[in-house]
Amino acid sequence: SQQGEEDPQALSIQEGENATMNCSYKTSINNLQWYRQNSGRGLVHLILIRSNEREKHSGRLRVTLDTSKKSSSLLITASRAADTASYFCAPSTGTASKLTFGTGTRLQVTL
Amino acid sequence: DTGVSQDPRHKITKRGQNVTFRCDPISEHNRLYWYRQTLGQGPEFLTYFQNEAQLEKSRLLSDRFSAERPKGSFSTLEIQRTEQGDSAMYLCASSFDGTGELFFGEGSRLTVL
Repeated sequence: SQQGEEDPQALSIQEGENATMNCSYKTSINNLQWYRQNSGRGLVHLILIRSNEREKHSGRLRVTLDTSKKSSSLLITASRAADTASYFCAPSTGTASKLTFGTGTRLQVTL
Repeated sequence: DTGVSQDPRHKITKRGQNVTFRCDPISEHNRLYWYRQTLGQGPEFLTYFQNEAQLEKSRLLSDRFSAERPKGSFSTLEIQRTEQGDSAMYLCASSFDGTGELFFGEGSRLTVL
């Protein structure tokens, strides 16, 4: 398995703004997943993008994947206070492999 | 089935005591993972099972840590002779072959005094 590195480490925006966070990884992947973690809670799966996909949408979430640059981005549009959480990316070399997490991006959405 | 459940949610213990955490995965999931998370860090992989077989253990898992998954259902994580450095959130996750998506429980927070 390999670990993704999220950037920035912390992001503070106002409600209604868009939030963009990035993930970089080192070797070829089969898919890349994004997870959200609210303070003191478990992680929640947000979206999975496969290596042959370039963009994927789920509600207010938009994920892109650039395998040539070994990077992914997560865009949250029209952010809400409830989006305040840590966000982790997890690149995967296949469904048989374990996921390894970085330190995440801590998003703070203020009213 | 309401998801992955972990018990207890919180545990305070004195240094040197043994503690055990239990995880009940989603019933049809054949894989079960344990992670440890300290404040401000991401989850660190500890070990995982496919059915009842423990397939991988992290070097983080010292000989004071042991995990079991009898009959491929629930799992337990035991920490013997706890140390203050063991204070963390212990997260359990399960998945089904072929999906890759992990479903996490709410975690068991351990405080070692």
